[in-house]
Amino acid sequence: AQSVTQLGSHVSVSEGALVLLRCNYSSSVPPYLFWYVQYPNQGLQLLLKYTSAATLVKGINGFEAEFKKSETSFHLTKPSAHMSDAAEYFCAVSDPGNQFYFGTGTSLTVIP
Amino acid sequence: DADVTQTPRNRITKTGKRIMLECSQTKGHDRMYWYRQDPGLGLRLIYYSFDVKDINKGEISDGYSVSRQAQAKFSLSLESAIPNQTALYFCATSDSTVLYGYTFGSGTRLTVV
Repeated sequence: AQSVTQLGSHVSVSEGALVLLRCNYSSSVPPYLFWYVQYPNQGLQLLLKYTSAATLVKGINGFEAEFKKSETSFHLTKPSAHMSDAAEYFCAVSDPGNQFYFGTGTSLTVIP
Repeated sequence: DADVTQTPRNRITKTGKRIMLECSQTKGHDRMYWYRQDPGLGLRLIYYSFDVKDINKGEISDGYSVSRQAQAKFSLSLESAIPNQTALYFCATSDSTVLYGYTFGSGTRLTVV
């Protein structure tokens, strides 16, 4: 069975600082991995995905994530936080072709 | 128009009432899903359907039922609503590979009083 752990339900960073949101997964087969963002009163929007191609994946709005098989991690980073990055972020894992398993989410606050 | 449309966007209902949440999609995807979101619990799968004749329970299906009326339509019903079903509900779709992830609707905020 697959599972996802997001360390830190709330993360605060200063504007311009590095954003690091952690995601660890368990999977019995090479997984697909995803990060989604949810802005207030909106649905979830795909930020980026890993589907067994390059291990460093670039997404929208300057975010990127690196798949590290040895660490079973898929952490999300952004070099410089912007006020508009304040949102809820969800990591998800999927066996290829099967349903997703979502983490419990990390709420990102950006301090001016 | 949105790729995945959920109606209503907001709903307040009374305990014991039957309520239906509707989802329609223009993505042409075979697979459709219903999730509920609660603070601190993330998204939990209620039901999913891999095609029109396929319905599967998710991890929290008790108290819910679904109907896949067509490839593009997947509705969720609460037969007798109770207060702990107050939550944000999302419909999502995907193709069979899941290679492109899920496409989500904007959600339905349901309050049961």
